[in-house]
Amino acid sequence: EADIYQTPRYLVIGTGKKITLECSQTMGHDKMYWYQQDPGMELHLIHYSYGVNSTEKGDLSSESTVSRIRTEHFPLTLESARPSHTSQYLCASSARLGEQYFGPGTRLTVT
Amino acid sequence: GEDVEQSLFLSVREGDSSVINCTYTDSSSTYLYWYKQEPGAGLQLLTYIFSNMDMKQDQRLTVLLNKKDKHLSLRIADTQTGDSAIYFCAGYNAGNMLTFGGGTRLMVKP
Repeated sequence: EADIYQTPRYLVIGTGKKITLECSQTMGHDKMYWYQQDPGMELHLIHYSYGVNSTEKGDLSSESTVSRIRTEHFPLTLESARPSHTSQYLCASSARLGEQYFGPGTRLTVT
Repeated sequence: GEDVEQSLFLSVREGDSSVINCTYTDSSSTYLYWYKQEPGAGLQLLTYIFSNMDMKQDQRLTVLLNKKDKHLSLRIADTQTGDSAIYFCAGYNAGNMLTFGGGTRLMVKP
């Protein structure tokens, strides 16, 4: 059973607020990922990390930033939330190849 | 980059077989995966197939791969209401990246 956690599960916040979505895994995986999922289901990779102090932007341009100071922790920050950031955010980790383990997601609504 | 395409929706009756189809463009994809997403949850890895295989069976799940046509399918035998979910295929390529299809929503009617 994979152990990857995301908090909060649901968040409603006003425009202009700074928010951090937390993601932690206890499996010691080097690779971690953040995806944004449309209401229409499609997944978009927005950030990834191959290890401590390594972060890269994904396919979808995002105004968010990430950090990877510890192996187990990969938080995502939005400095100034906007309604266009309303979405489901999924965090995942991987030890090898394409086998990714996903957290339960954070559903963000920006009003 | 790779494109992975899936039909959006499939509806079946309980007890029937479900077949979810996927096409991909990158012939260098070494592994192809099927993930399942239940409502309100993240994705869960269901099964995978290596690119030099034609078929893989795992209990009620059968994966078929046609490399020539770049076509992947997932067959679920004796489909149950608990199988209702969104199913994603994904290709893992030489660039060490996983590319997901848009997802197929499977609805199982009692």
